[in-house]
Amino acid sequence: AQSVSQHNHHVILSEAASLELGCNYSYGGTVNLFWYVQYPGQHLQLLLKYFSGDPLVKGIKGFEAEFIKSKFSFNLRKPSVQWSDTAEYFCAVNAPSGGGADGLTFGKGTHLIIQP
Amino acid sequence: EAGVAQSPRYKIIEKRQSVAFWCNPISGHATLYWYQQILGQGPKLLIQFQNNGVVDDSQLPKDRFSAERLKGVDSTLKIQPAKLEDSAVYLCASSWDRVVTEAFFGQGTRLTVV
Repeated sequence: AQSVSQHNHHVILSEAASLELGCNYSYGGTVNLFWYVQYPGQHLQLLLKYFSGDPLVKGIKGFEAEFIKSKFSFNLRKPSVQWSDTAEYFCAVNAPSGGGADGLTFGKGTHLIIQP
Repeated sequence: EAGVAQSPRYKIIEKRQSVAFWCNPISGHATLYWYQQILGQGPKLLIQFQNNGVVDDSQLPKDRFSAERLKGVDSTLKIQPAKLEDSAVYLCASSWDRVVTEAFFGQGTRLTVV
């Protein structure tokens, strides 16, 4: 079974600062990788996803993530954060099986607060 | 397009009582998931449906939890009897085919067991 570890549970940054949220997964086979965001009072939304190809993926709202297979990592980055990026961020993986089971395994999440 | 609808938004029950949650996925989405999110943790998959069939229920505590998706559209998740540790947000998600095509989440039902 796969597992996901997010290094920071709480991050506080000032506007315009650069952001990097760490995510490591544990699984020996092929995985698909995701970052989801949950803004206050809203539902989980997909930020970006990686299946194959270019390990640097770009998502919505200026976010990007890099898959480093040798490190089992999929860190989320944004060069300049805004107050509106305040939210909970979840890294998730799945390991598609032939039987069709493809539910996500989530990390515990990182609560990001951006100070004006 | 309309999102994933869940009801109720909040529910408070006493331990040993039963409770049911309802989910209406996005129209046309074949795959439906139920997740449990305990405070301070990420969502944990409980069950996955493909149309009206169960694909994965390996993490569903079957002694007290049950779920169904009649006619391959709406779904209900039931807990009977509830325990204090069942206090959590129950999230429903749906996708067109598989999660890789993007899973859309509802706002969840927050259950408090007292």
